Amino acid sequence: DTQMTQSPSSLSASIGDRVTFTCQASQDISNSLNWFQQKPGKAPKLLIFDASNLEAGVTSRFSGSGSGTDFTFTISSLQPEDVATYYCQQYSNLPPTFGPGTKLDV
Amino acid sequence: EVHLAESGGGLVQPGGSLRLSCVGSGFTFSSYWMSWVRQTPEKGLEWVANINPDGSERYYVDSVKGRFTMSRDNTKNSLYVRMSSLRVEDTAVYYCVRESLWLVPDFWGPGTLVSVSS
Repeated sequence: DTQMTQSPSSLSASIGDRVTFTCQASQDISNSLNWFQQKPGKAPKLLIFDASNLEAGVTSRFSGSGSGTDFTFTISSLQPEDVATYYCQQYSNLPPTFGPGTKLDV
Repeated sequence: EVHLAESGGGLVQPGGSLRLSCVGSGFTFSSYWMSWVRQTPEKGLEWVANINPDGSERYYVDSVKGRFTMSRDNTKNSLYVRMSSLRVEDTAVYYCVRESLWLVPDFWGPGTLVSVSS
Protein backbone atom coordinates (compact mmCIF):
# COMPACT_ATOMS: atom_id res chain seq x y z
CA ASP A 1 0.00 0.00 0.00
CA THR A 2 1.09 3.60 -0.59
CA GLN A 3 1.96 5.25 2.71
CA MET A 4 1.12 8.90 3.23
CA THR A 5 2.85 11.16 5.72
CA GLN A 6 1.91 14.71 6.71
CA SER A 7 3.82 17.44 8.46
CA PRO A 8 3.54 19.04 10.80
CA SER A 9 1.15 16.95 12.89
CA SER A 10 -0.15 20.13 14.50
CA LEU A 11 0.22 23.81 13.87
CA SER A 12 -0.82 26.98 15.65
CA ALA A 13 -1.09 30.20 13.64
CA SER A 14 -2.66 33.64 13.79
CA ILE A 15 -5.57 35.11 11.88
CA GLY A 16 -4.37 36.45 8.57
CA ASP A 17 -1.27 34.22 8.45
CA ARG A 18 -0.29 32.30 5.35
CA VAL A 19 -0.24 28.64 6.38
CA THR A 20 1.35 25.70 4.56
CA PHE A 21 1.19 21.94 5.23
CA THR A 22 2.95 19.19 3.41
CA CYS A 23 2.04 15.64 2.39
CA GLN A 24 4.44 13.00 1.11
CA ALA A 25 3.68 9.73 -0.62
CA SER A 26 5.86 6.63 -0.32
CA GLN A 27 5.83 6.24 -4.11
CA ASP A 28 5.06 8.29 -7.19
CA ILE A 29 1.32 9.04 -7.31
CA SER A 30 1.45 11.61 -10.14
CA ASN A 31 -1.21 14.21 -9.23
CA SER A 32 -3.72 11.73 -7.74
CA LEU A 33 -4.12 13.52 -4.44
CA ASN A 34 -7.09 14.91 -2.54
CA TRP A 35 -7.15 17.31 0.42
CA PHE A 36 -9.92 17.24 3.04
CA GLN A 37 -10.92 19.40 5.97
CA GLN A 38 -12.55 17.83 9.03
CA LYS A 39 -14.06 19.76 11.91
CA PRO A 40 -14.79 18.05 15.25
CA GLY A 41 -17.82 15.78 15.13
CA LYS A 42 -18.27 16.28 11.39
CA ALA A 43 -17.49 14.26 8.28
CA PRO A 44 -14.51 15.22 6.13
CA LYS A 45 -15.12 17.77 3.39
CA LEU A 46 -13.37 17.62 0.02
CA LEU A 47 -11.37 20.79 -0.66
CA ILE A 48 -8.99 19.93 -3.50
CA PHE A 49 -8.74 17.03 -5.96
CA ASP A 50 -6.07 16.15 -8.53
CA ALA A 51 -3.55 17.91 -6.25
CA SER A 52 -4.48 21.43 -7.32
CA ASN A 53 -8.12 21.60 -8.45
CA LEU A 54 -10.40 23.48 -6.09
CA GLU A 55 -13.68 21.70 -5.40
CA ALA A 56 -16.78 23.70 -6.36
CA GLY A 57 -17.91 26.07 -3.63
CA VAL A 58 -14.63 25.97 -1.71
CA THR A 59 -12.98 29.26 -0.86
CA SER A 60 -10.13 30.39 -3.09
CA ARG A 61 -8.05 31.01 0.06
CA PHE A 62 -7.24 27.30 -0.21
CA SER A 63 -4.81 25.98 -2.79
CA GLY A 64 -2.80 22.86 -3.48
CA SER A 65 0.28 22.02 -5.48
CA GLY A 66 2.75 19.27 -6.16
CA SER A 67 3.12 16.04 -8.08
CA GLY A 68 4.98 12.77 -7.79
CA THR A 69 5.65 12.28 -4.09
CA ASP A 70 5.60 15.77 -2.58
CA PHE A 71 2.53 17.95 -2.13
CA THR A 72 1.64 21.21 -0.44
CA PHE A 73 -1.62 22.69 0.85
CA THR A 74 -1.78 26.42 1.51
CA ILE A 75 -4.24 28.77 3.19
CA SER A 76 -3.47 32.26 1.94
CA SER A 77 -4.97 34.17 4.87
CA LEU A 78 -6.07 32.14 7.88
CA GLN A 79 -9.60 32.70 9.15
CA PRO A 80 -11.22 31.49 12.41
CA GLU A 81 -13.43 29.03 10.54
CA ASP A 82 -10.34 27.27 9.19
CA VAL A 83 -9.67 25.60 12.57
CA ALA A 84 -9.83 21.91 11.68
CA THR A 85 -7.77 18.86 10.87
CA TYR A 86 -6.59 18.56 7.27
CA TYR A 87 -5.98 15.22 5.57
CA CYS A 88 -4.40 14.25 2.28
CA GLN A 89 -5.42 11.10 0.41
CA GLN A 90 -3.81 9.37 -2.56
CA TYR A 91 -5.92 7.58 -5.16
CA SER A 92 -3.27 6.54 -7.65
CA ASN A 93 -3.13 3.00 -6.27
CA LEU A 94 -5.65 0.73 -4.62
CA PRO A 95 -6.36 0.91 -1.78
CA PRO A 96 -6.60 4.69 -1.56
CA THR A 97 -4.83 5.77 1.60
CA PHE A 98 -5.00 8.79 3.87
CA GLY A 99 -2.36 10.71 5.73
CA PRO A 100 -2.56 11.00 9.53
CA GLY A 101 -3.65 14.64 9.35
CA THR A 102 -2.44 18.10 10.36
CA LYS A 103 -4.39 19.72 13.19
CA LEU A 104 -4.62 23.47 12.76
CA ASP A 105 -5.35 25.80 15.67
CA VAL A 106 -5.71 29.56 15.77
CA GLU B 1 -29.11 19.33 -2.13
CA VAL B 2 -27.03 16.17 -1.88
CA HIS B 3 -27.79 14.14 1.21
CA LEU B 4 -26.44 10.81 2.48
CA ALA B 5 -27.77 9.13 5.60
CA GLU B 6 -26.23 6.02 7.15
CA SER B 7 -27.99 3.67 9.53
CA GLY B 8 -27.48 0.29 11.11
CA GLY B 9 -24.54 0.95 13.41
CA GLY B 10 -24.42 -0.33 16.96
CA LEU B 11 -22.75 -2.65 19.42
CA VAL B 12 -21.92 -6.18 18.29
CA GLN B 13 -19.82 -8.96 19.78
CA PRO B 14 -16.63 -10.17 18.14
CA GLY B 15 -17.49 -12.71 15.46
CA GLY B 16 -20.91 -11.17 14.94
CA SER B 17 -22.51 -9.56 11.92
CA LEU B 18 -24.05 -6.22 11.09
CA ARG B 19 -25.48 -4.57 7.99
CA LEU B 20 -25.05 -0.87 7.38
CA SER B 21 -27.34 1.02 5.04
CA CYS B 22 -27.07 4.39 3.35
CA VAL B 23 -29.77 6.29 1.53
CA GLY B 24 -28.84 8.99 -0.94
CA SER B 25 -30.96 11.89 -2.16
CA GLY B 26 -30.56 15.08 -4.15
CA PHE B 27 -28.57 13.43 -6.94
CA THR B 28 -28.86 10.63 -9.50
CA PHE B 29 -27.71 7.82 -7.21
CA SER B 30 -27.44 5.26 -10.01
CA SER B 31 -24.78 7.34 -11.83
CA TYR B 32 -22.14 7.35 -9.13
CA TRP B 33 -19.48 5.09 -7.68
CA MET B 34 -20.06 4.86 -3.93
CA SER B 35 -17.68 4.03 -1.11
CA TRP B 36 -17.49 3.20 2.57
CA VAL B 37 -14.73 4.87 4.56
CA ARG B 38 -14.15 4.32 8.29
CA GLN B 39 -12.40 6.35 10.95
CA THR B 40 -10.96 5.72 14.38
CA PRO B 41 -8.93 8.04 16.61
CA GLU B 42 -6.11 5.48 16.63
CA LYS B 43 -5.86 4.55 12.95
CA GLY B 44 -7.39 7.62 11.33
CA LEU B 45 -9.26 7.44 8.05
CA GLU B 46 -9.34 4.13 6.18
CA TRP B 47 -11.01 3.43 2.84
CA VAL B 48 -12.99 0.19 3.13
CA ALA B 49 -14.58 -0.55 -0.23
CA ASN B 50 -16.32 0.88 -3.25
CA ILE B 51 -18.86 -0.21 -5.84
CA ASN B 52 -19.54 0.93 -9.39
CA PRO B 53 -22.83 2.50 -10.51
CA ASP B 54 -24.55 -0.71 -11.59
CA GLY B 55 -23.14 -2.84 -8.79
CA SER B 56 -21.12 -5.14 -11.03
CA GLU B 57 -17.67 -4.13 -9.71
CA ARG B 58 -16.48 -3.96 -6.14
CA TYR B 59 -13.11 -3.35 -4.56
CA TYR B 60 -12.15 -3.95 -0.94
CA VAL B 61 -9.24 -3.18 1.34
CA ASP B 62 -7.38 -6.39 2.20
CA SER B 63 -8.35 -6.28 5.90
CA VAL B 64 -12.05 -6.77 5.11
CA LYS B 65 -11.89 -9.05 2.06
CA GLY B 66 -13.98 -12.14 2.58
CA ARG B 67 -15.76 -10.61 5.57
CA PHE B 68 -17.47 -7.50 4.17
CA THR B 69 -19.81 -7.46 1.17
CA MET B 70 -20.87 -4.21 -0.43
CA SER B 71 -24.03 -3.92 -2.50
CA ARG B 72 -26.50 -1.37 -3.75
CA ASP B 73 -30.14 -1.09 -4.80
CA ASN B 74 -30.50 1.76 -7.25
CA THR B 75 -34.30 1.47 -7.19
CA LYS B 76 -34.13 2.50 -3.54
CA ASN B 77 -31.15 4.89 -3.84
CA SER B 78 -29.49 2.70 -1.25
CA LEU B 79 -26.03 1.41 -0.48
CA TYR B 80 -25.24 -1.45 1.87
CA VAL B 81 -22.35 -3.23 3.48
CA ARG B 82 -22.80 -6.59 5.13
CA MET B 83 -20.09 -7.03 7.75
CA SER B 84 -19.46 -10.49 9.19
CA SER B 85 -16.82 -12.12 11.40
CA LEU B 86 -16.44 -8.72 13.01
CA ARG B 87 -13.28 -7.99 14.95
CA VAL B 88 -12.51 -5.49 17.70
CA GLU B 89 -10.37 -3.61 15.17
CA ASP B 90 -13.45 -3.02 12.96
CA THR B 91 -14.73 -0.61 15.60
CA ALA B 92 -15.04 2.76 13.87
CA VAL B 93 -17.32 5.45 12.54
CA TYR B 94 -18.39 4.29 9.08
CA TYR B 95 -19.07 6.92 6.43
CA CYS B 96 -21.07 6.46 3.26
CA VAL B 97 -19.35 8.44 0.52
CA ARG B 98 -20.18 9.51 -3.03
CA GLU B 99 -17.36 9.56 -5.57
CA SER B 100 -17.54 12.37 -8.11
CA LEU B 101 -14.64 10.85 -10.01
CA TRP B 102 -12.87 7.50 -9.49
CA LEU B 103 -11.83 7.49 -5.83
CA VAL B 104 -12.52 11.23 -5.37
CA PRO B 105 -14.96 11.36 -2.43
CA ASP B 106 -16.89 14.57 -2.94
CA PHE B 107 -19.72 14.06 -0.47
CA TRP B 108 -19.84 12.23 2.87
CA GLY B 109 -22.69 11.18 5.11
CA PRO B 110 -22.56 12.06 8.83
CA GLY B 111 -21.37 8.55 9.74
CA THR B 112 -22.62 5.69 11.90
CA LEU B 113 -20.70 4.16 14.81
CA VAL B 114 -19.94 0.45 14.87
CA SER B 115 -18.57 -0.89 18.14
CA VAL B 116 -17.24 -4.44 18.31
CA SER B 117 -16.81 -5.52 21.90
CA SER B 118 -17.62 -8.36 24.25
